[in-house]
Formats: sequence, structure tokens, C-alpha cells
Amino acid sequence: DGGITQSPKYLFRKEGQNVTLSCEQNLNHDAMYWYRQDPGQGLRLIYYSQIVNDFQKGDIAEGYSVSREKKESFPLTVTSAQKNPTAFYLCASSQIGVDTEAFFGQGTRLTVV
Amino acid sequence: QQPVQSPQAVILREGEDAVINCSSSKALYSVHWYRQKHGEAPVFLMILLKGGEQKGHEKISASFNEKKQQSSLYLTASQLSYSGTYFCGVRGTTSGTYKYIFGTGTRLKVLA
Repeated sequence: DGGITQSPKYLFRKEGQNVTLSCEQNLNHDAMYWYRQDPGQGLRLIYYSQIVNDFQKGDIAEGYSVSREKKESFPLTVTSAQKNPTAFYLCASSQIGVDTEAFFGQGTRLTVV
Repeated sequence: QQPVQSPQAVILREGEDAVINCSSSKALYSVHWYRQKHGEAPVFLMILLKGGEQKGHEKISASFNEKKQQSSLYLTASQLSYSGTYFCGVRGTTSGTYKYIFGTGTRLKVLA
């Protein structure tokens, strides 16, 4: 079955460590996105990519980095520069087009202690 | 830049109706609606396009006012399963990019 997979579901890290969240899709979608979700703030866009080897910053990119070496994969690294990294992170993918819906992964809950 | 949704939260009894609004400061090509259960992935409900075309859920309706850059989601005869957080999603309007951003969310709880 086609879908989008995020791993791990829960992640704990010590403050000051970088951590990479995985996102893989087998829907053959060109576009992929990373969002951060905090209580009461909705989904905020971190990074997005429309094509391999190209990506753009979203509204809250500071302290994060991404890569898009393969169409199916769009990993997100939360660096030590991110001041408040504890959050629920969602990855999504879609075809290119204004009438195309996004498909979401199940999310990764990151807790930094 | 993030679309603003209203109300922030609403509580209903089964069978009651609700309206959720989404307002953007930028011109929109399309508005998409999603529902998210706690701790789960958002699920697509419907898309509204400029010109009035709609695609999506049979039991949920919505409107899209292109001039006002607003959309409203209408939930009629609500069921317990309608509980969750609703988000509107909008596509960016910059030529050549498809930045996809979501609204602030509306928490809906339906009581028996």
C-alpha cells in the first residue's frame, strides 16, 4: 500500500544534541513538507521541497536543516541551534498543483530533556 | 502569514451544527480542509478551488469567497466522530512555488 512513513514515533534527546527525523513516501509525489505542531498554534511550515536536490525555507526554518537526495526521502535534522525543539513533527507529501491534497505521516513526537 | 481560523474551539451536542472560518491575508488559489484526531495525522476532507469547484467529503460542505480570501466549513447534524481539530490549508500564490501552509486550527468537541 502507498503511504508516507515517519520514524520513530517517539524520540527523546538530550539538550544540545542534533537529531534526525525520517520521512519516506512511496506515493511518487514530487512535493514534500515538514511541519511543527505545538498546542494552540496549528501546523507551522518548517521546510518544503518540490524537486530532488532543491528545497525552500518555510516560516520557522531556523534551527532546522533538510536534504532531498531522493524523491522518496526528506529527512529533517533538528539542530542544537533550535531553542525549543520539543514538539510534534509532521511530514507530508503531495503532487504539484493547487488542487492536490497532502498526505501526512503519523508524526514524530520529539522530547528534548 | 498563517491563515487565521475562528472560533479557536467549539463544543457541540450531537445533532447540532457548526461553522468554522478560515481567513487569509493573501490571495488564494485554493483552500483545503483537514481534520486531525489527537496524536494522529491530519485527514483530508475537501478542496475548494477558485471558480466554485469542490472535491471531497459528501457530508461536509464548505464555501470559498475568493474576493474576501475566506473559506467556511459547515458541519451539519454533527456526530461524535466529528470531534477533532480542523485545519484549513492554503497554497502559496508566488509563481512557481507551492508553499503549503495551514491555519491556526479549530478544536471541535461533540458531546453525546
